[in-house]
Amino acid sequence: DQQVKQNSPSLSVQEGRISILNCDYTNSMFDYFLWYKKYPAEGPTFLISISSIKDKNEDGRFTVFLNKSAKHLSLHIVPSQPGDSAVYFCAASEMNRDDKIIFGKGTRLHILP
Amino acid sequence: DAGVTQSPTHLIKTRGQQVTLRCSPKSGHDTVSWYQQALGQGPQFIFQYYEEEERQRGNFPDRFSGHQFPNYSSELNVNALLLGDSALYLCASSSNEYYGYTFGSGTRLTVV
Repeated sequence: DQQVKQNSPSLSVQEGRISILNCDYTNSMFDYFLWYKKYPAEGPTFLISISSIKDKNEDGRFTVFLNKSAKHLSLHIVPSQPGDSAVYFCAASEMNRDDKIIFGKGTRLHILP
Repeated sequence: DAGVTQSPTHLIKTRGQQVTLRCSPKSGHDTVSWYQQALGQGPQFIFQYYEEEERQRGNFPDRFSGHQFPNYSSELNVNALLLGDSALYLCASSSNEYYGYTFGSGTRLTVV
């Protein structure tokens, strides 16, 4: 039973354009959402997060949007750069209950020159 | 400041054998979580250790066990290895002061 779903296994975006990665979740008790980025042969690294009390969080080129009614969140990267090519994992937790983080399967982002 | 350190980086074992993976958390972190990442999948939560006790456990059989030491480092043990245990095993550390995990680079386990 996949509680966090990333339905696009891969995405290709032209350098300089906007990359939009999507994520859906099924557990309405999730109250904290995170995005991690992973390069080959490295562990996932934290990118950005959002609490369920917000609908948007921005950090430089990265913005995460949360739509609680739709149980959907998205990560926007603008402008996309070659170094953004990686696997992006959406993750969620019930922070008020425990801090176990549940991950999606990931989306591989390719930034094209 | 060293991040999360995992050893070994790669390991090949035979079916039925036992394996121990090790993790040193980031300085200042007292909680260690272990994840299994199979090929093409996201990390799956195995268990979490805090104050030398298993605090939470995911949907993994009892063949998977762990330990946390007084210095907060941790071990993951897998008994009676199956081919399906082949995966990248990730250790993540965290603390009460900062929410979110810092991951190590993982141990690639191949069972043949």
